[in-house]
Amino acid sequence: AQKVTQAQTEISVVEKEDVTLDCVYETRDTTYYLFWYKQPPSGELVFLIRRNSFDEQNEISGRYSWNFQKSTSSFNFTITASQVVDSAVYFCALRGSGGSNYKLTFGKGTLLTVNP
Amino acid sequence: EAEVAQSPRYKITEKSQAVAFWCDPISGHATLYWYRQILGQGPELLVQFQDESVVDDSQLPKDRFSAERLKGVDSTLKIQPAELGDSAMYLCASSPVGRTYGYTFGSGTRLTVV
Repeated sequence: AQKVTQAQTEISVVEKEDVTLDCVYETRDTTYYLFWYKQPPSGELVFLIRRNSFDEQNEISGRYSWNFQKSTSSFNFTITASQVVDSAVYFCALRGSGGSNYKLTFGKGTLLTVNP
Repeated sequence: EAEVAQSPRYKITEKSQAVAFWCDPISGHATLYWYRQILGQGPELLVQFQDESVVDDSQLPKDRFSAERLKGVDSTLKIQPAELGDSAMYLCASSPVGRTYGYTFGSGTRLTVV
């Protein structure tokens, strides 16, 4: 069975602070994919990043960076110099490689509020 | 940029009524998913189609929910009768065949059952 845990339910920061969102996952698959999505108040899920289990390189995209560590089954997401527009719910998700079922298993999400 | 189209955007219905949601995936995407997201939770898969065939409907409450994708293109999700606990966001997503590709989600249908 697959499981994604986002222990932080809500985080509140002041603009320009750095913030890290934690994600811990469980899977028996040796090949799997990890995702982060952003969900603004309007409701749509915005894709941020996909990482496969063979690639443990950290990735940086502008103010966003991701730290993937297989040893601790974690895929954490850091926003540097946060902005009010970053306020949203962020979901970590996992897709395994079992059979033909490529469903995403989501965590419960972390609500990030960036205050001016 | 190609999008997954969903309608309606919002729906309010009385309990015990029937309600239907429509999804048009990105052209060429063989795999279509319906997810349900209850307020404060992450999305959970209801049903997955590969072309017109159901691949996984293990979490679909089949006594009241049905889904179809007759021509392997667009899809309809129906609830009959609706219950108060069905109030949620219903998200459709599509992807090309193959596990290395990511999903594209639609904007969702926000259902309120009163």
